[in-house]
Amino acid sequence: GAVVSQHPSRVICKSGTSVKIECRSLDFQATTMFWYRQFPKKSLMLMATSNEGSKATYEQGVEKDKFLINHASLTLSTLTVTSAHPEDSSFYICSASGQGATEAFFGQGTRLTVV
Amino acid sequence: GQNIDQPTEMTATEGAIVQINCTYQTSGFNGLFWYQQHAGEAPTFLSYNVLDGLEEKGRFSSFLSRSKGYSYLLLKELQMKDSASYLCAVMDSNYQLIWGAGTKLIIKP
Repeated sequence: GAVVSQHPSRVICKSGTSVKIECRSLDFQATTMFWYRQFPKKSLMLMATSNEGSKATYEQGVEKDKFLINHASLTLSTLTVTSAHPEDSSFYICSASGQGATEAFFGQGTRLTVV
Repeated sequence: GQNIDQPTEMTATEGAIVQINCTYQTSGFNGLFWYQQHAGEAPTFLSYNVLDGLEEKGRFSSFLSRSKGYSYLLLKELQMKDSASYLCAVMDSNYQLIWGAGTKLIIKP
């Protein structure tokens, strides 16, 4: 199956700093990428959907100024958590799908801890 | 290594019952998830099992046997809208999600 690489897998940062998470499709062109957040033992919560070259569509309740998403190329999308606070500590996961694809492929996830 | 196995594709008839199996080998276990994903859409959560047994939720049920590293998703009274991919995912000891490749379910009239 297609490969989606998400980096870093774990990150610890200080409160008030910003953290960037990368999601790369390694062997296909990802026209659409999804960013999720997941709390322990809970389901995935869709944060936003991004299409290459256009602005991301954020789900209700997700602060677009806090969670900056960039999908500038067909193989890379980034999620930047700005001015992180301890309550932003969570597991973030991306998934990517190609043009006309019937399924999306998931990255490995990033565990963010804000101290 | 860590591994999640599920069939690549299954076909079933409208109104029938289908069982999608998932076997897993992971470093630790903190629960198993089933997701449904329609083409071009984000996955949606279906079920979460952390204890052995059957969890029923409407037409969908999910079963877990931790000793066997095995789960299944049971879909009853199949409808055409159930045509989708079904993803099995296990949360390991580090609370990292290990994903199966997904099972594409095709429903025929």
